[in-house]
Amino acid sequence: NAGVTQTPKFQVLKTGQSMTLQCAQDMNHEYMSWYRQDPGMGLRLIHYSVGAGITDQGEVPNGYNVSRSTTEDFPLRLLSAAPSQTSVYFCASSYRSGGQETQYFGPGTRLLVL
Amino acid sequence: GIQVEQSPPDLILQEGANSTLRCNFSDSVNNLQWFHQNPWGQLINLFYIPSGTKQNGRLSATTVATERYSLLYISSSQTTDSGVYFCAVEGMDSSYKLIFGSGTRLLVRP
Repeated sequence: NAGVTQTPKFQVLKTGQSMTLQCAQDMNHEYMSWYRQDPGMGLRLIHYSVGAGITDQGEVPNGYNVSRSTTEDFPLRLLSAAPSQTSVYFCASSYRSGGQETQYFGPGTRLLVL
Repeated sequence: GIQVEQSPPDLILQEGANSTLRCNFSDSVNNLQWFHQNPWGQLINLFYIPSGTKQNGRLSATTVATERYSLLYISSSQTTDSGVYFCAVEGMDSSYKLIFGSGTRLLVRP
């Protein structure tokens, strides 16, 4: 298993540009989520999905869109990049079974918006 | 929404020492997890522990749900334990929304 993969690893954008951060998992997990991590802070939830076709907003959804057309993929779209979106983005997937949950994180995408 | 506070924010240990990290949360939870972020940024799940006690090698965790706190114990620390430890919780009315604390940054010196 490759686990959770994210592309690209690093990206530089200009203000106003759009882009899509890719996330894929091969563990057949129902739950997937996107977080951003800013320096000295914990992770903040952007959007999450509990299955194909179902998405919902997290703590900081403004400026981001998601879709979940398949179980495996959960792309994050930045509609019009702003310097405030400079951050490290993590994708995660998890399963819940028998009162237990384990979250698996991707390696992260470092985004710089100029 | 639910608030998560971790203490201490920073901790420096000599290799071999023990430590206790604390996570306080402001409301009842049905999900609490501890994570370790290594110096290269990779996040690893350590424990799923909404209540009770669990142990995994030199690490153990205890959550006292009625008093709204969780503790992570690290015994005989090693330099590879360095990194940031995060606590994350999901409130009773916030299905699937994990809220993270700001973390405890641990440095273990040889």
